[in-house]
Amino acid sequence: NAGVTQTPKFRILKIGQSMTLQCTQDMNHNYMYWYRQDPGMGLKLIYYSVGAGITDKGEVPNGYNVSRSTTEDFPLRLELAAPSQTSVYFCASSYTGENTEAFFGQGTRLTVV
Amino acid sequence: EDQVTQSPEALRLQEGESSSLNCSYTVSGLRGLFWYRQDPGKGPEFLFTLYSAGEEKEKERLKATLTKKESFLHITAPKPEDSATYLCAVQSYGGSQGNLIFGKGTKLSVKP
Repeated sequence: NAGVTQTPKFRILKIGQSMTLQCTQDMNHNYMYWYRQDPGMGLKLIYYSVGAGITDKGEVPNGYNVSRSTTEDFPLRLELAAPSQTSVYFCASSYTGENTEAFFGQGTRLTVV
Repeated sequence: EDQVTQSPEALRLQEGESSSLNCSYTVSGLRGLFWYRQDPGKGPEFLFTLYSAGEEKEKERLKATLTKKESFLHITAPKPEDSATYLCAVQSYGGSQGNLIFGKGTKLSVKP
């Protein structure tokens, strides 16, 4: 099993550009998440989804959008990139939202210049 | 507000020198406490889940324990391959579904 796969692994964006970070999982998990990790800080939840067609905001959603059209895919959209969005982004999935471990992808390192 | 604090920020050990990492937490109601390992350039990898005070779990040289206010990750006779950042996270009844509140991590270096 591939688990959680994120693409791309690295990306440099100019201020004002847009992009989509891709995330797919093959574990048939209902729950999927997007976190960002900044140096010296804990991971922060951006958005999450409890199933296809259902998404909700996490702790730091501003500047991002998500969609969940299938169980497998949970893309994260950055509109009008800003330097504050320079970070490492992790997608994760879990079978349920309670008391089950989350499986993480390898991350996307994004730099906005 | 749910909060997780890990200490120390960094820990350097000699191979075979046992030690403990601390995770103190404040939550409205604890669903579970999770330990993850993160290698440089990689995503967090699940280690343990603890649900109630007094619970303990072991995996190779690692042992996780839980009290009502904190968790410890004990590392016995560590090897260089145990070098990584160890992340603690909590899931609370008051938070978003499935959301994990992470600490900043403890970076462990084990020298041969």
